[in-house]
Amino acid sequence: DIVMTQSPDSLAVSLGERATFNCKSSQSILFSSNNKYSLAWFQQKPGQPPKLLMYWASTREAGVPDRFSGSGSGTDFTLTISSLQAEDVAVYYCQQYLTIPITFGQGTRLESK
Amino acid sequence: EVQLVESGGGLVQPGGSLRLSCVVSGFTLSAYWMDWVRQAPGKGLEWVAKIKGDGSVKYYSDSVKGRFTISRDNANNALSLQINTLRPEDTAVYYCARATWINDYWGQGTLVTVSS
Repeated sequence: DIVMTQSPDSLAVSLGERATFNCKSSQSILFSSNNKYSLAWFQQKPGQPPKLLMYWASTREAGVPDRFSGSGSGTDFTLTISSLQAEDVAVYYCQQYLTIPITFGQGTRLESK
Repeated sequence: EVQLVESGGGLVQPGGSLRLSCVVSGFTLSAYWMDWVRQAPGKGLEWVAKIKGDGSVKYYSDSVKGRFTISRDNANNALSLQINTLRPEDTAVYYCARATWINDYWGQGTLVTVSS
């Protein structure tokens, strides 16, 4: 199984500041057919289902604000919020969808400082 | 508008069974793989099962293999998860999610509680 490890476990950032989430896969998640990384990011607020933010590591889902960006290569990936807004407080998960079983990171909890 | 609505959760004793349903609208169900993903209280997300659009291919996590069965009824826009021999560690919110490559739409979830 591919293990996804996120860091840090929790993060406190001031409104307007940058928030950075890290995700590391235990092996390559490069999809050879399109040469893209099979990595998605989700945001989950209390009592709600996860919301897709990013896929193929750096493609923003429709409707997601452009303050969210994704990057990475190899086995290391990053989600960045360029300027934290109050509504961004949530738990963020990375997910690899290259191979079965699909696996998620343990999540990073984002709080407002 | 794409919608997924789960139902069928509840309180069940260890060893019991439940059948979860997910009714979808706003897209052609047969065109998509579908997943079940669960989340134990206060914990992270765990993928459970996946089924191909025509139902011909199914995958399960090791933790549920042999106990859970995923199925679909495309004519009635419905996805199901039959869960047998329930254990306390199966207590979770169960989400259905559209899943061709990416889980782009999710239901609100249905809570399964396994307790005596």
